Amino acid sequence: QKEVEQDPGPLSVPEGAIVSLNCTYSNSAFQYFMWYRQYSRKGPELLMYTYSSGNKEDGRFTAQVDKSSKYISLFIRDSQPSDSATYLCAMSNNAGGTSYGKLTFGQGTILTVHP
Amino acid sequence: NAGVTQTPKFQVLKTGQSMTLQCAQDMNHEYMSWYRQDPGMGLRLIHYSVGAGITDQGEVPNGYNVSRSTTEDFPLRLLSAAPSQTSVYFCASSYFRVPTEAFFGQGTRLTVV
Repeated sequence: QKEVEQDPGPLSVPEGAIVSLNCTYSNSAFQYFMWYRQYSRKGPELLMYTYSSGNKEDGRFTAQVDKSSKYISLFIRDSQPSDSATYLCAMSNNAGGTSYGKLTFGQGTILTVHP
Repeated sequence: NAGVTQTPKFQVLKTGQSMTLQCAQDMNHEYMSWYRQDPGMGLRLIHYSVGAGITDQGEVPNGYNVSRSTTEDFPLRLLSAAPSQTSVYFCASSYFRVPTEAFFGQGTRLTVV
């Protein structure tokens, strides 16, 4: 079983919809939780991150972390066609040493927002 | 500011050939890593480095070698290419103590025939 599980979709929604993207994980040592956005034929770019549990909001995007359930979510409000991309969750721990910067990714969810 | 630069962007190899994928960053990041991305598999870590002269294996290291002689460069070598190594390869860098933001290159699309 993978350490991080993410539904690959694809997910197709109309413009203006609220989108919910989710990941589950099994490693309780993860402390940093990130969402990356990857446009077609491009490298991933950091969208937002959360440290430990809680919520974080940035414009139309909200990231939530529930460590008790080992579950993280990304919500996109008022989705736009420009949000069409693959969204990858990623996680990291603070175990120290050479493992500190390692990221473990989910499979990625392909999102299409149609006009 | 160029960020993370990968070359080449595309490559076709024959089975058994060797090649080096180049990666360079100009942000003075200590941490660099190589991932491969396959459909339905997300990004899987191949090798990583926490500084010049220090490298370690990731999740899928077999068939690949790395070295880190400078802070800026982190080449990935395919020793004897196999069709299973057909993939998109991404190089990334970040500050060692800030694991939350990795900067990725544009990727190298490799096909092994």
